[in-house]
Amino acid sequence: DQQVKQNSPSLSVQEGRISILNCDYTNSMFDYFLWYKKYPAEGPTFLISISSIKDKNEDGRFTVFLNKSAKHLSLHIVPSQPGDSAVYFCAAEHFGNEKLTFGTGTRLTIIP
Amino acid sequence: GAGVSQSPRYKVAKRGQDVALRCDPISGHVSLFWYQQALGQGPEFLTYFQNEAQLDKSGLPSDRFFAERPEGSVSTLKIQRTQQEDSAVYLCASSPNRDGDYGYTFGSGTRLTVV
Repeated sequence: DQQVKQNSPSLSVQEGRISILNCDYTNSMFDYFLWYKKYPAEGPTFLISISSIKDKNEDGRFTVFLNKSAKHLSLHIVPSQPGDSAVYFCAAEHFGNEKLTFGTGTRLTIIP
Repeated sequence: GAGVSQSPRYKVAKRGQDVALRCDPISGHVSLFWYQQALGQGPEFLTYFQNEAQLDKSGLPSDRFFAERPEGSVSTLKIQRTQQEDSAVYLCASSPNRDGDYGYTFGSGTRLTVV
């Protein structure tokens, strides 16, 4: 039972354009969501997060949007840069339980 | 050290062999997590420590998996009688206990291949 889903295994975007990565979840108990970025042979690194009391959180080129009614979140990267090429994981947790439930990841390739 | 350190980076084990994977968390971090990442999948939770106390081991796939953190710092994940399905990257992460908008810090992982 996949509680966090990333339905696009891969995405290619031209350098300078916007990258939009999507994530859906099924567990309505989730109240905190995170995005991680992973380069080959390295562990995931934290990128940005959002609490369920918000619908948007911004940090530089990265913005995460949360639509609770649709159980959907998205990560926007603008403008996209070659160094953004990596696998991006969406993760979720619920209050009082620190373990994260991850999606299967989306491989983002930025084309120069 | 500055980050979470895991050793060995790569381990090849014959089926039936026991293995031990080590994690050195960031100094002072209270929480420590182990995750298993199979090829093409996202990390899956195995177990969680707060200091030396193992508070959640619900993700351990079988009684062949055992984790410990006896002094609240270094942790070891032990897998007994390894099977082919145990082949995966094992990730360790640590956190100073959640306070604010950040996630935990992961190590680079140990890639275990059971042959």
